[in-house]
Amino acid sequence: EPEVTQTPSHQVTQMGQEVILRCVPISNHLYFYWYRQILGQKVEFLVSFYNNEISEKSEIFDDQFSVERPDGSNFTLKIRSTKLEDSAMYFCASSPTGWDSPLHFGNGTRLTVT
Amino acid sequence: AQTVTQSQPEMSVQEAETVTLSCTYDTSESNYYLFWYKQPPSRQMILVIRQEAYKQQNATENRFSVNFQKAAKSFSLKISDSQLGDTAMYFCAFINNAGNMLTFGGGTRLMVKP
Repeated sequence: EPEVTQTPSHQVTQMGQEVILRCVPISNHLYFYWYRQILGQKVEFLVSFYNNEISEKSEIFDDQFSVERPDGSNFTLKIRSTKLEDSAMYFCASSPTGWDSPLHFGNGTRLTVT
Repeated sequence: AQTVTQSQPEMSVQEAETVTLSCTYDTSESNYYLFWYKQPPSRQMILVIRQEAYKQQNATENRFSVNFQKAAKSFSLKISDSQLGDTAMYFCAFINNAGNMLTFGGGTRLMVKP
């Protein structure tokens, strides 16, 4: 069964540094998402992406965050200047047709900001 | 805004027994989907079951079934014949066509005891 793959599985970075989290969605899916989960807390929506542009974003997704689909397969989340509170598990997800189809999640990238 | 509430932070069940996890939600929309996701210690998010709001019949997937009460805005998950591999965090989630994003509850940690 096709899977959403995320790399790296764990990223450690220093405060103020830029990080790029990478995702390869399922190939025939059209909608892509980033969610995050701070340890012990609920999963929170960050951004959705369709047709090469952001379709929805949450209040968390401020100017420090950006997303890109640089080629036909990758979907990236960039955090420009990381803060301690950005430490979390970041999940990429994709779905074939948007809200009316199930989201398939990757295994997540654990980001630790020191 | 939609909210999803899981009132049981932790639950435990003996292997082979049945357990029910509760979820309530709040929305003014009439067309939506509800989900249960499982998050084992590996932190992966795995779709367990999905319910379409306009379907009165409760969804079932093998040992997993839901009790969907639309008027009461309740969506509980029943796990029959619990197995040790069911030990995980379980998240209830909601999505509708007003916003292409999943809203998650706070999660219920389920421990299956041998």
